[in-house]
Amino acid sequence: DAKTTQPTSMDCAEGRAANLPCNHSTISGNEYVYWYRQIHSQGPQYIIHGLKNNETNEMASLIITEDRKSSTLILPHATLRDTAVYYCIVRVDRGSQGNLIFGKGTKLSVKP
Amino acid sequence: DAGVIQSPRHEVTEMGQEVTLRCKPISGHDYLFWYRQTMMRGLELLIYFNNNVPIDDSGMPEDRFSAKMPNASFSTLKIQPSEPRDSAVYFCASSLGGLSSYNEQFFGPGTRLTVL
Repeated sequence: DAKTTQPTSMDCAEGRAANLPCNHSTISGNEYVYWYRQIHSQGPQYIIHGLKNNETNEMASLIITEDRKSSTLILPHATLRDTAVYYCIVRVDRGSQGNLIFGKGTKLSVKP
Repeated sequence: DAGVIQSPRHEVTEMGQEVTLRCKPISGHDYLFWYRQTMMRGLELLIYFNNNVPIDDSGMPEDRFSAKMPNASFSTLKIQPSEPRDSAVYFCASSLGGLSSYNEQFFGPGTRLTVL
């Protein structure tokens, strides 16, 4: 049970912003939202995580709604190398309950 | 740092044979994780270690699977005997401090196992 819902696939034009949504309506107060991505034939790669405030790093921005029931990962200027499966994961910050549980993710295709 | 190193990258074996997958975590990381990825089931956590000690092996599918971590720089995942349904990509990951929100997991390139 991945506890998150993501669209199966999305397309994005190169150079445009890619906005990947995730629903996590049953998220608990102590659960963080994590995003990982997996480029074809590689291991998953951490992107960003947050609790309730919006977060930004060199890779992406994470926008979490005020009620925390959904979030959006934003890649501001998508490139062809951003084509990957993007996983939205909720996890607690405590012991074995903090395991990463990967769902099906969103397959993002960035097109020239 | 070279990142998480896994070997072999590809393994083809016949049903009934023993298979050993190897992992070298990032130096200084004290948590090590083994995952399996298939088209049907996606990415699943099999087992993880903290300071070389297995903490949670509830994801190990059955007794044919075993994992060890004899020291901080090496871990093995063994399947004996192997079966065709074990065909998958096996990932090893490591992290510093484990499951805290500040400790991302770094994944290796994976081992693609094919059991004929």
